[in-house]
Amino acid sequence: AAGVIQSPRHLIKEKRETATLKCYPIPRHDTVYWYQQGPGQDPQFLISFYEKMQSDKGSIPDRFSAQQFSDYHSELNMSSLELGDSALYFCASSSLEGDYGYTFGSGTRLTVV
Amino acid sequence: AQKVTQAQTEISVVEKEDVTLDCVYETRDTTYYLFWYKQPPSGELVFLIRRNSFDEQNEISGRYSWNFQKSTSSFNFTITASQVVDSAVYFCALRTAPYSGAGSYQLTFGKGTKLSVIP
Repeated sequence: AAGVIQSPRHLIKEKRETATLKCYPIPRHDTVYWYQQGPGQDPQFLISFYEKMQSDKGSIPDRFSAQQFSDYHSELNMSSLELGDSALYFCASSSLEGDYGYTFGSGTRLTVV
Repeated sequence: AQKVTQAQTEISVVEKEDVTLDCVYETRDTTYYLFWYKQPPSGELVFLIRRNSFDEQNEISGRYSWNFQKSTSSFNFTITASQVVDSAVYFCALRTAPYSGAGSYQLTFGKGTKLSVIP
């Protein structure tokens, strides 16, 4: 079965640079979520999209933005990177139909140096 | 507001021992979903189980079992005859069902329990 695909798996950036993370949800899933997990922390909700519209917002810094495209893939853009942005970034997708399943991608490990 | 508490930060057991990971949740909603995820050292979040608030039946899947008790707002996870491959961080998570019918089902995670199974 198709899973949630995230790219890249690993990313190293310097402070003040920009990073773009991509997420391809499970086909026919209409909602995408982004989570940030710092070292030794639990995942924290950043933002979600339903049918290409932002549906909810969590603790996402103003330096971050995200969108969902017509093919339902999503991108998380992070600018002016700080050392504290080093984390695992997870994307998840779900669908209103069926059983409200919640599937995570393998994550992107961002390291800011 | 929703909250998930995993009071056990770290647990160490010897292989083949049974171990129970505790999860206590808080929510004002009557309809909600509870999840357990496993996060091995490689980092991915592996889905283990989802349980809705109307289904209090305990569940067993191989060496894994879950005890859901609404009366105590707990959703505990037991691993029987633990193995080294069970070593990971385990997260309990809560999600309420939205009333608007569209959009966010964000998960609220507990802080996680790090399980170490010693050979």
